[in-house]
Amino acid sequence: GENVEQHPSTLSVQEGDSAVIKCTYSDSASNYFPWYKQELGKGPQLIIDIRSNVGEKKDQRIAVTLNKTAKHFSLHITETQPEDSAVYFCAASKAGVPSGGYNKLIFGAGTRLAVHP
Amino acid sequence: EADIYQTPRYLVIGTGKKITLECSQTMGHDKMYWYQQDPGMELHLIHYSYGVNSTEKGDLSSESTVSRIRTEHFPLTLESARPSHTSQYLCASSEGRGGTQYFGPGTRLTVL
Repeated sequence: GENVEQHPSTLSVQEGDSAVIKCTYSDSASNYFPWYKQELGKGPQLIIDIRSNVGEKKDQRIAVTLNKTAKHFSLHITETQPEDSAVYFCAASKAGVPSGGYNKLIFGAGTRLAVHP
Repeated sequence: EADIYQTPRYLVIGTGKKITLECSQTMGHDKMYWYQQDPGMELHLIHYSYGVNSTEKGDLSSESTVSRIRTEHFPLTLESARPSHTSQYLCASSEGRGGTQYFGPGTRLTVL
C-alpha cells in the first residue's frame, strides 16, 4: 500500500548548523508534499509544502526539495536555532485526484530534532 | 493561522465513562479528520468526513464514533472509555482538493 519512509528518526545538531530530513514515498501519483512541525503538547503546524510541478521551494531558513524520479523529498533547515527543536513530519497525498474528494495524507514516522545551544 | 479548536485540552477519566471530544473549525472547510497519536509518534487516521452527514473509518481501527451534523463541528465519542484509549487525539480540516490539512491543538486523554 501507500507508504512514506522518513529518516532519520532522531537528529541532534549544534545551533547554527544545518539539518536535513529525508522522506521517500511509494505512490508515484502523489503530487502534494507538506511538512509539519510539532512542538511538545501542541498539534502539528504546517511549515512548508511543495507540489509536484516544482522541484524546490524556500521560505527564509526552510527549504524543501522534491525529486519525482526518485520519489523522495527533503526538508532543509539552515542556521538552526533552539526553537527549531521539535518533531517534524513529512507527508504525501494525491491532492485533486478526481477519484474521490478525500485528501488522504500519508505521514512519515517523524524526526525528533534537537538543536543544542 | 488555522482556526480549529479542540476541547478539552486535557481529560483524565475513569474506566467505563462516556466521553465526547469536541472539534470545531471556523474556516468553512468541508473535510474534517480525527487522528490518534502517542506523544511524538506517528499519526494514525481513525475517522474522516467529506462533509455534512458523511463519516468514514480511517486506517486505524477505533472504538470511537463520530458525527457531522454541521459543517464546522466534528465531535468524537467513546461510549465506554478504557485505559487502552489513553492517547492524544488530533482533529484536522481541509478545503476542497487542495490537500492542506490544518490541525487543532489536540486533546490529551488519560483513562485510569
